[in-house]
Amino acid sequence: NAGVTQTPKFRILKIGQSMTLQCTQDMNHNYMYWYRQDPGMGLKLIYYSVGAGITDKGEVPNGYNVSRSTTEDFPLRLELAAPSQTSVYFCASSYLASEAFFGQGTRLTVV
Amino acid sequence: DAKTTQPTSMDCAEGRAANLPCNHSTISGNEYVYWYRQIHSQGPQYIIHGLKNNETNEMASLIITEDRKSSTLILPHATLRDTAVYYCIGGAGGTSYGKLTFGQGTILTVHP
Repeated sequence: NAGVTQTPKFRILKIGQSMTLQCTQDMNHNYMYWYRQDPGMGLKLIYYSVGAGITDKGEVPNGYNVSRSTTEDFPLRLELAAPSQTSVYFCASSYLASEAFFGQGTRLTVV
Repeated sequence: DAKTTQPTSMDCAEGRAANLPCNHSTISGNEYVYWYRQIHSQGPQYIIHGLKNNETNEMASLIITEDRKSSTLILPHATLRDTAVYYCIGGAGGTSYGKLTFGQGTILTVHP
C-alpha cells in the first residue's frame, strides 16, 4: 500500500522556469491538499480539493495552479518560478473529515 | 476555520506524561479538533481528533473542555522519539469543510 506518493523528491529550478509537482494516492480519498513549508516555519495551505473536479484556494495560492481530474491525482503547477517559492512541498489526502496522510515531500530550490 | 493558540515550546522528561495545551475559542459546533506532529523534516503524522467527547488511541489521549474552547493532548509516557512539533488544528468542518490549516505548533522536547 503506497499511500501518498510525491515526485520528484528534489528539484532545482531556474527563475522563470515552470514545473509540475506530482501527487498521487491509492486510498480512494476524497480530500487532497497541497502545503508548503519554509525553513523553520509551519505548513501553509496552498490549494485543496474535496473531490474530482473541485478545487479551492488555501492561504497562499498565488503563483500556483492545481487540477483534480481524477480521484487519485492532484498535481501542483508552478508557473514562472521565483526564489520565494523555494520551499518543501507536501501533498496530503484524507477521507472526509478524518486523518490526513502526508507524502514525504518535494524539496524545491529556485535559483 | 478556527484559530488556534499553542505554546511555542515545551519540555518533558522521558517516561513522564506530556500535556500539550491548545486554545481554540472560535471553534464552531461542528468543527473537529485535530492533532498532528512533525518529526524533523518528515511529512506530518496524524495523532488523534475529536469533536466533543474525550478520545484515546494507541498514541495519545485528547481531552476537550465542555465548552470546546480548549483541548489538551496527552502523551502518557513520553519517549525521546516523541520529540517533534505538535500541531493543533481546529476546523475541517462546517463552512471550512475539507480545509486543514496548520498554525505554528508547539516544539516538544523530550529529554532523558
